[in-house]
Amino acid sequence: AQRVTQPEKLLSVFKGAPVELKCNYSYSGSPELFWYVQYSRQRLQLLLRHISRESIKGFTADLNKGETSFHLKKPFAQEEDSAMYYCALSASNTGNQFYFGTGTSLTVIP
Amino acid sequence: DTGVSQDPRHKITKRGQNVTFRCDPISEHNRLYWYRQTLGQGPEFLTYFQNEAQLEKSRLLSDRFSAERPKGSFSTLEIQRTEQGDSAMYLCASSFLAGYEQYFGPGTRLTVT
Repeated sequence: AQRVTQPEKLLSVFKGAPVELKCNYSYSGSPELFWYVQYSRQRLQLLLRHISRESIKGFTADLNKGETSFHLKKPFAQEEDSAMYYCALSASNTGNQFYFGTGTSLTVIP
Repeated sequence: DTGVSQDPRHKITKRGQNVTFRCDPISEHNRLYWYRQTLGQGPEFLTYFQNEAQLEKSRLLSDRFSAERPKGSFSTLEIQRTEQGDSAMYLCASSFLAGYEQYFGPGTRLTVT
């Protein structure tokens, strides 16, 4: 069965420190993975997807099929990065519905 | 087009009442998804449409839930005989094609008293 695990519910880092939000998945097929972000009082929005291999707002994420992970990283956290982050897996064998993790709330301390 | 919209944004109802939510997707998007999100959890898939056809429903979706997407445009999600356990945020998302980015609406927060 498809599953996405985000082990940290809460994560606090100081401004300028590196940040890593962990995401592990289980899926027998070829996964498509996404990171979505929800800022305070805003809707869920796409941050990045593994297929595009781009950096958005300084964040990157690498798909590691061996470790079944898709961790989100940023070398220098900013206060505006404080938000809720969700890792999501799109499963092609179930109509590309998204399976979301439980989310990690990131707080960047000034 | 300002993105996916949902109406109402908030709904308070008494247990046993029926409620209906509406979602207007981005106009050129063929796929429309419904999710439910409870406190401390990520969005949980309920059902999705390809144009007007409902292609899949979650096994978690009880018979009290029904969704429609007439003419492949807006969609409605109805919950009959609401229960307190139905209290949640109901999210709608749309995408151009399968596997493409899903764009989310602001959600409808349902409170069943």
